[in-house]
Amino acid sequence: AQKITQTQPGMFVQEKEAVTLDCTYDTSDQSYGLFWYKQPSSGEMIFLIYQGSYDEQNATEGRYSLNFQKARKSANLVISASQLGDSAMYFCAMREGLGNFNKFYFGSGTKLNVKP
Amino acid sequence: GAVVSQHPSWVICKSGTSVKIECRSLDFQATTMFWYRQFPKQSLMLMATSNEGSKATYEQGVEKDKFLINHASLTLSTLTVTSAHPEDSSFYICSASSGQGTYEQYFGPGTRLTVT
Repeated sequence: AQKITQTQPGMFVQEKEAVTLDCTYDTSDQSYGLFWYKQPSSGEMIFLIYQGSYDEQNATEGRYSLNFQKARKSANLVISASQLGDSAMYFCAMREGLGNFNKFYFGSGTKLNVKP
Repeated sequence: GAVVSQHPSWVICKSGTSVKIECRSLDFQATTMFWYRQFPKQSLMLMATSNEGSKATYEQGVEKDKFLINHASLTLSTLTVTSAHPEDSSFYICSASSGQGTYEQYFGPGTRLTVT
């Protein structure tokens, strides 16, 4: 089974509107971390937001927030007030367990296009 | 903080030659480094994980003798593609983790390899 599932290959959003990018995960570990990264066309991976499995509050970082629904195993990224510069690929990733050697599992990504 | 550099950012080499890609953590000590490969419009594929001073752990299907990984210090890891062929052309991305906090991986800007 896929560890991380992103079901939206592509999304369009109007500038200044909010958009939600879906991510579901599969793990039997109690301790895990969920990450969202942005990858513009230049290729670099830009860290956006992190949610720990024991965090009770949803993570927020500026215009980014993570809608963490633990029972549903979902970790959707919400971008508020979309900007043209938000157009990029977005990847959801999970780190299982605790420990530096734990690898990340990445989803297939969602390409977001922000329309002016 | 948490800056990772990669060198070169792009390289063209002839079939049969070897090419070395460097990954450096500039402002922190990276106990673990990861090497990924990314094909166009696809997700990141983990190739191997390396801890400083020990042998790399390769993912299934990745040829150890073809993709040589050395993690000689806490700030430097290298990936050498030996006897490169056109099918090795890809975008290679490294990441580094300090082994603290969220165990976040900090990504380098990537290296685009073209084998002619």
